[in-house]
Amino acid sequence: EVQLVQSAAEVKSPGEPLTISCKASGYTFGSYWIGWVRQMPGKGLEWMGIIYPGDSDTRYSPSFQDRVTISADRSVNTAYLQWDSLQASDTAMYYCARHSGGFDSWGQGTLVTVSS
Amino acid sequence: SYELTQPPSMSVSPGQTATITCSGDFLPKHYCYWYQQKSGQAPVLVISKDSVRPSGIPERFSGSKSGTIATLVITDVQADDEADYYCQSPDRSATYPGIFGPGTKVTVL
Repeated sequence: EVQLVQSAAEVKSPGEPLTISCKASGYTFGSYWIGWVRQMPGKGLEWMGIIYPGDSDTRYSPSFQDRVTISADRSVNTAYLQWDSLQASDTAMYYCARHSGGFDSWGQGTLVTVSS
Repeated sequence: SYELTQPPSMSVSPGQTATITCSGDFLPKHYCYWYQQKSGQAPVLVISKDSVRPSGIPERFSGSKSGTIATLVITDVQADDEADYYCQSPDRSATYPGIFGPGTKVTVL
């Protein structure tokens, strides 16, 4: 069974760095793209970017290109989403999802709250 | 920037049919995917590659595409189908896998 388990909710202050994670199991991690999706409170889904763990090929939505870094570690079957300096506007639910003919498996989401 | 367009909301009675459209200039060139998101839950893929129903998705859900418009149809709507529905498709550069539409809130009366 394919499973994506995301790290716990985070509460941070503006300007702080943050990395959240997405641990995959039940399939060959390096053989499928994994994407990240943002959902701000009460809003729709926004595609942020995607990585192919097999060779670390990474693509970003222009809206997020300069704001986040996506990475993956095949040794622990985990993908990451990183911010160097959070802003209040980063407050949102973040989902990871495996791409196989669409995003066919999703993590449970990580709620990130940025507040002073 | 490229956008997909969906109606913001619709209401449907149980047993009736819900038809949700998604329009985009590059839909003729790329697949469209559909997701269902119930309140407080992660999205679920309900239609892949324009019209393929993933394992476990009821036959009541079907998808099609014609030109710049993709359509998700839910027949015999049930109370459990109340959710937000999003289409997704690559943009002009075929950046994989692409942007989401704004979502359609389906309310079951």
